[in-house]
Amino acid sequence: DIQMTQSPSTLSASVGDRVTITCRASQSIIDWLAWYQQKPGRAPKLLIYKASTLESGVPSRFSGSGSGTEFTLTISSLQPDDFATYYCQQYYRYGLTFGQGTKVEIK
Amino acid sequence: EVQLLESGGGLVQPGGSLRLSCAASGFTFSSYGMTWVRQAPGKGLEWVSGFGGSSGTTYYADSVKGRFTISRDNSKNTLYLQMNSLRAEDTAIYYCAKDTETYRYFDHWGQGTLVTVSS
Repeated sequence: DIQMTQSPSTLSASVGDRVTITCRASQSIIDWLAWYQQKPGRAPKLLIYKASTLESGVPSRFSGSGSGTEFTLTISSLQPDDFATYYCQQYYRYGLTFGQGTKVEIK
Repeated sequence: EVQLLESGGGLVQPGGSLRLSCAASGFTFSSYGMTWVRQAPGKGLEWVSGFGGSSGTTYYADSVKGRFTISRDNSKNTLYLQMNSLRAEDTAIYYCAKDTETYRYFDHWGQGTLVTVSS
């Protein structure tokens, strides 16, 4: 299986901060990568697919970039609603795999 | 509006069986791949099993292969997960998720159903 590794595992930030989360794949996945946001007690929500395409309805402060094995999720100006856990997922090949998650906490 | 509603979770003893259901509405169920993803308490997301689009091909994580069976009834717009030989490490919230038309990422998720494997 393709291993997905996110960093950092936890991130402390303040409202208005620019936040970047990294996701690395153990082999090239081209740009077959999605990002999800999950809040406590809730199902995940799709934010970005194909590494950089914003899902409909997702605020433009979220952006994704990267290709091959290294990808980033950036929140340009962190809002109170953005404190959550973020996961990357590769869909290049079955078995599909997620990163271990990055929890964005209030500083 | 797409809706996915899981049911069938509960407490089961190690070695036991359980069948989860996911009732879908708001889209043409037969045209889409469907997936089960689980999340152990306090842990991350783990893909469990999926249908590869309308082809009917099924896929399983190594951790459940040979024990779990995914199926679907397109006449009832329902996805199933038959779980046999359950282990403590299968304890998790199980989510069903809808694939996109072409690719295996998930644009809609159910609210999840909790499976607890314990004696």
